[in-house]
Amino acid sequence: NAGVTQTPKFQVLKTGQSMTLQCAQDMNHNSMYWYRQDPGMGLRLIYYSASEGTTDKGEVPNGYNVSRLNKREFSLRLESAAPSQTSVYFCASSEYSGANVLTFGAGSRLTVL
Amino acid sequence: AQKITQTQPGMFVQEKEAVTLDCTYDTSDQSYGLFWYKQPSSGEMIFLIYQGSYDEQNATEGRYSLNFQKARKSANLVISASQLGDSAMYFCAMRELGRGAQKLVFGQGTRLTINP
Repeated sequence: NAGVTQTPKFQVLKTGQSMTLQCAQDMNHNSMYWYRQDPGMGLRLIYYSASEGTTDKGEVPNGYNVSRLNKREFSLRLESAAPSQTSVYFCASSEYSGANVLTFGAGSRLTVL
Repeated sequence: AQKITQTQPGMFVQEKEAVTLDCTYDTSDQSYGLFWYKQPSSGEMIFLIYQGSYDEQNATEGRYSLNFQKARKSANLVISASQLGDSAMYFCAMRELGRGAQKLVFGQGTRLTINP
């Protein structure tokens, strides 16, 4: 069982470059999320997708775009990376029922120089 | 907006002792959920335990229990008989209703170190 798979695991960018973080889940979950975690801090929600075809802003959406490609995949794009976007990014998914426990990917460490 | 507060940046505990990690929350919702996640040094987020606001009993999962005090708005995690492998960051989180989805809001975490 792969669960939630994120790629790449590590990436170094220069200021102004663009990149896309990919996320796929194989649990048939409806909802997917992108969080960022800065050193010594908790996770902050960037964007989420309640179901296929919908996306919404979270707490810190500026500088990011997302695409819910299908039920399995949810990508996060940085159009013009900035040093402030240096962080660890987590994708997660959940079923919209019951406790709504989030299952997380392993994380993607992004450094913007 | 909902808020989670974890006031202990770090804790040090001797192996085999019990440990309580504090979490307080603020919400105006009547229906909500509280979660604890563990993040070891390898970085992944591991779900530990869940408590619903209408659950009458405190949640338990093996050595983990959640001390839920609704009137005080606290949801402390208790780990019994701590082990070296319990050394990690621990995050308290609350479920927040969003447009068609239920989002989690996280606290800043507590770094737990278990000493042999």
